[in-house]
Amino acid sequence: GAVVSQHPSRVICKSGTSVKIECRSLDFQATTMFWYRQFPKKSLMLMATSNEGSKATYEQGVEKDKFLINHASLTLSTLTVTSAHPEDSSFYICSAFVGTKNIQYFGAGTRLSVL
Amino acid sequence: DAKTTQPPSMDCAEGRAANLPCNHSTISGNEYVYWYRQIHSQGPQYIIHGLKNNETNEMASLIITEDRKSSTLILPHATLRDTAVYYCIVRSPNTNAGKSTFGDGTTLTVKP
Repeated sequence: GAVVSQHPSRVICKSGTSVKIECRSLDFQATTMFWYRQFPKKSLMLMATSNEGSKATYEQGVEKDKFLINHASLTLSTLTVTSAHPEDSSFYICSAFVGTKNIQYFGAGTRLSVL
Repeated sequence: DAKTTQPPSMDCAEGRAANLPCNHSTISGNEYVYWYRQIHSQGPQYIIHGLKNNETNEMASLIITEDRKSSTLILPHATLRDTAVYYCIVRSPNTNAGKSTFGDGTTLTVKP
């Protein structure tokens, strides 16, 4: 299947710093990518839809100034957690939709720990 | 997108078939049924999807009832590595598609 690469797989940062997570589609172009968040023993929650060349669409309750999304090319979307705090510690997962297959593929996830 | 209902957990003996049910009684005509699984601390892995016909691939089989209100994912010979949370998702292939809404899924435990 199509490959979605996410980096880093794990990051530990101090409170107040910003963290950038990258999501790449390796063998296809993705005009739309999605960012999810997952707390321990919980299901995935959609945070935002990332659109190449335009602003991201955020789900209700997700702070767009807190979670900055940039989708500057057809193969790369980034999520920046700004001024991270311990409550932002979570598992962040990106995904991309392959229209020719009608399938959404997911990255391996990024474990963020804010101290 | 239609909601789905899955049992919270299931056990299966290694080497036996694992049959995971999913109810999607409010599914509409153009919505597909997708199955993903998530092994601990990894991103979801696509397994299979279908519209109304039964589907089979190298990983699993998908059986969709004639009224499309429920489906069953079949892992024919479960192994210990199949232990994971399995998500059944119903989604329409619309333009801004791709995004999937996840329920709580079924935690499948394969036991030796």
